[in-house]
Amino acid sequence: GEDVEQSLFLSVREGDSSVINCTYTDSSSTYLYWYKQEPGAGLQLLTYIFSNMDMKQDQRLTVLLNKKDKHLSLRIADTQTGDSAIYFCAESSGGGFKTIFGAGTRLFVKA
Amino acid sequence: EPEVTQTPSHQVTQMGQEVILRCVPISNHLYFYWYRQILGQKVEFLVSFYNNEISEKSEIFDDQFSVERPDGSNFTLKIRSTKLEDSAMYFCASSKTNNIQYFGAGTRLSVL
Repeated sequence: GEDVEQSLFLSVREGDSSVINCTYTDSSSTYLYWYKQEPGAGLQLLTYIFSNMDMKQDQRLTVLLNKKDKHLSLRIADTQTGDSAIYFCAESSGGGFKTIFGAGTRLFVKA
Repeated sequence: EPEVTQTPSHQVTQMGQEVILRCVPISNHLYFYWYRQILGQKVEFLVSFYNNEISEKSEIFDDQFSVERPDGSNFTLKIRSTKLEDSAMYFCASSKTNNIQYFGAGTRLSVL
């Protein structure tokens, strides 16, 4: 079945770039997403990329997609303490109704 | 900015009781979903709903679960007889098309 894997923890210093990586198995994935979850809060859609794109940039966020390797990454430039949260990689396939989530990467930002 | 709202934020119930979790999706969205996240685990898909019927459901969504859109704005998840293992955060989501989903803040269900 479909699966999404990501590393569990990442620690960076304030001002550095963070790169969170994800791999997925579903070759029919149409959309790939990054969601952010702050403590006690819901899932905030940060950004998404359509599967026929290689890269998407949105202010401090850069998403890279390597469809051949089924690898997705999220780069956060100039990471701030307010970026500390859990980041979920997720995918959905065309015509499907469900989104499959990874376990989440907990980002710690040290001042 | 429009958002998905869920009530209550925390629901405490006794094992065997029925609970109804409520959601108000974004107003022009047509697809509605429920997910759950057991503490420390992945977010898991439960069910999707479109055109007044279930489009897809997971193995978790057994006969104890049901969904309803009782009026033009609410979308509910009912658990008929709660079990301890139903304790989780339940997220409602909605989307305009069957892809990019926007999530609510969740309802934490605690079954005692």
